[in-house]
Amino acid sequence: GDSVTQMEGPVTLSEEAFLTINCTYTATGYPSLFWYVQYPGEGLQLLLKATKADDKGSNKGFEATYRKETTSFHLEKGSVQVSDSAVYFCALLGGGDSSYKLIFGSGTRLLVRP
Amino acid sequence: EAGVVQSPRYKIIEKKQPVAFWCNPISGHNTLYWYLQNLGQGPELLIRYENEEAVDDSQLPKDRFSAERLKGVDSTLKIQPAELGDSAVYLCASSLDGHSYEQYFGPGTRLTVT
Repeated sequence: GDSVTQMEGPVTLSEEAFLTINCTYTATGYPSLFWYVQYPGEGLQLLLKATKADDKGSNKGFEATYRKETTSFHLEKGSVQVSDSAVYFCALLGGGDSSYKLIFGSGTRLLVRP
Repeated sequence: EAGVVQSPRYKIIEKKQPVAFWCNPISGHNTLYWYLQNLGQGPELLIRYENEEAVDDSQLPKDRFSAERLKGVDSTLKIQPAELGDSAVYLCASSLDGHSYEQYFGPGTRLTVT
């Protein structure tokens, strides 16, 4: 079945450092891909999405490019802030009968130090 | 616009006791989802409603879990009796319809079974 694998955390960075969180997926067909963020004590929020190959999703300085050839959707940010500390989830929305079903990775905790 | 509302935010019960969680989706959203999030894991779908109809409950452990969405608006998820392994966060999400890319999540109910 469809699945998402993302790098284990925690990832600890200093403020203004470059961030990469790796995400790869396995899916039949052409899924849509998402990054969700979960701040402490809050629900998941959609950070960005890409619905087809080579699309780049971006929001709040974060970017991710849908790479069909490597089945990847890595999250990047050029300069992280303390306020970016959260848990980040990569997810896919499958096709066909699973077109409504979000499949999540296990999450990567990011801790940004001042 | 109000987001997805869930209550209670936290619940501690003894094993074998019943427990119920309530969710009110975003106004106008026809599709409602209940997810289970175990510690250190991504959310997993338990049940999906289209209006008042449960269209996918294949992942719901029906021996002890039940859900309802009367009138197609708010929803209740119940566990009876609770087991130690049910300790987790229960997330509710909603979307405009079953084909919408974006699902909006509530803050979740953290259940601890002692």
